[in-house]
Amino acid sequence: QSVLTQPPSASGTPGQRVTISCSGSSSNIGSNYVYWYQQLPGTAPKLLIYRNNQRPSGVPDRFSGSKSGTSASLAISGLRSEDEVDYYCAAWDDSLSGVIFGGGTKLTVL
Amino acid sequence: EVQLVESGGGLVQPGGSLRLSCAASGFTFSSYEMNWVRQAPGKGLEWVSYISSSGSTIYYADSVKGRFTISRDNAKNSLYLQMNSLRAEDTAVYYCARDDYGDGWGYWGQGTLVTVSS
Repeated sequence: QSVLTQPPSASGTPGQRVTISCSGSSSNIGSNYVYWYQQLPGTAPKLLIYRNNQRPSGVPDRFSGSKSGTSASLAISGLRSEDEVDYYCAAWDDSLSGVIFGGGTKLTVL
Repeated sequence: EVQLVESGGGLVQPGGSLRLSCAASGFTFSSYEMNWVRQAPGKGLEWVSYISSSGSTIYYADSVKGRFTISRDNAKNSLYLQMNSLRAEDTAVYYCARDDYGDGWGYWGQGTLVTVSS
């Protein structure tokens, strides 16, 4: 069971804006940075957002991250068919002294 | 070009051992913290272990504590994961990932599959 809670699925139509939530607690999201990873089937994860809302070079500005209290969100605007993959949030947990991931969200582009 | 290449995966019986390696190139390996992350078939990502750049600080997930040992050889640009007392639930693709000074894990290996089965 993941300590960070994500919806197992999300969906949207091309061009639409969708958000994926990630809920935690004071020992993880509430006191540490949140990271988001994108994973295509059969491939290694790719860093999408770091330090809550920063984008690595090469990541389109359609992707944005935010954090408030013990929750975080990943927003994807201008939805495209290639966005139809899995997304994971992650954060350090002070109580566990380790990194925890959300269970992952599979995004469907209708 | 930064490259991380895992090796050492395979089929092992329950209770057995396996040693994974991650060969790093294209960057100053000794300057970076490293992690192992695994993904069971059809499941999500699970962090396994962390090691500081010098090897002096190590953390493990509770699920592997006491059974797995992370280590590194900076002279050989290599990261290792010694896995003992393997269980069926350890079956997964194991990835090594570079920790970019708190800016996330920007580089990952391609993964190596470990299957624990009799």
